[in-house]
Amino acid sequence: DTGVSQDPRHKITKRGQNVTFRCDPISEHNRLYWYRQTLGQGPEFLTYFQNEAQLEKSRLLSDRFSAERPKGSFSTLEIQRTEQGDSAMYLCASNPGQQFSGANVLTFGAGSRLTVL
Amino acid sequence: DAKTTQPNSMESNEEEPVHLPCNHSTISGTDYIHWYRQLPSQGPEYVIHGLTSNVNNRMASLAIAEDRKSSTLILHRATLRDAAVYYCILRDSTGGGSNYKLTFGKGTLLTVNP
Repeated sequence: DTGVSQDPRHKITKRGQNVTFRCDPISEHNRLYWYRQTLGQGPEFLTYFQNEAQLEKSRLLSDRFSAERPKGSFSTLEIQRTEQGDSAMYLCASNPGQQFSGANVLTFGAGSRLTVL
Repeated sequence: DAKTTQPNSMESNEEEPVHLPCNHSTISGTDYIHWYRQLPSQGPEYVIHGLTSNVNNRMASLAIAEDRKSSTLILHRATLRDAAVYYCILRDSTGGGSNYKLTFGKGTLLTVNP
């Protein structure tokens, strides 16, 4: 088990371009989360999947953002028509279990850093 | 999630103990206290969690006040690799509301001096 993998680790793009990030969670982890982190701030929740179902989207997730988890395994986060304000670290996390417990911990990936020029 | 209050930054010397405080005066009886840390250029990493009793693991100790309105993360011997941002987070154990996710504050930036 290699933990949560994210790809690419770094992405530099020009404003207006589309970018896609991929997250491979720990095998058999049912829940998958996307967070965004800007400099000097803690991570902010974006969206959450239980298996393939996207159960919540934050108001931070504008119409230009879309996330999928088609087979309940890996997930992708796409940003269309990127803006400079999208520059941030995009973090993926996963955790196991069908039943929620306050003791459940999240395992995070190393993140994908986006720079929009 | 109930809110927590942490100092913005703390400084320690290598090989000395570090006590990182967290206030959570509005904690409810069903809230777990979680600590995560984030090393530079990495994602957050789970450190420890507890409900009422003090907890120890290979990374740290968690001391929880009797009234549960505050807690302290203890690193027994700080190393340079412990330099990170430490987040104190409450998670409701009942499964209601939005507590399936973690809500991060700004945390405490720990600097470890050689």
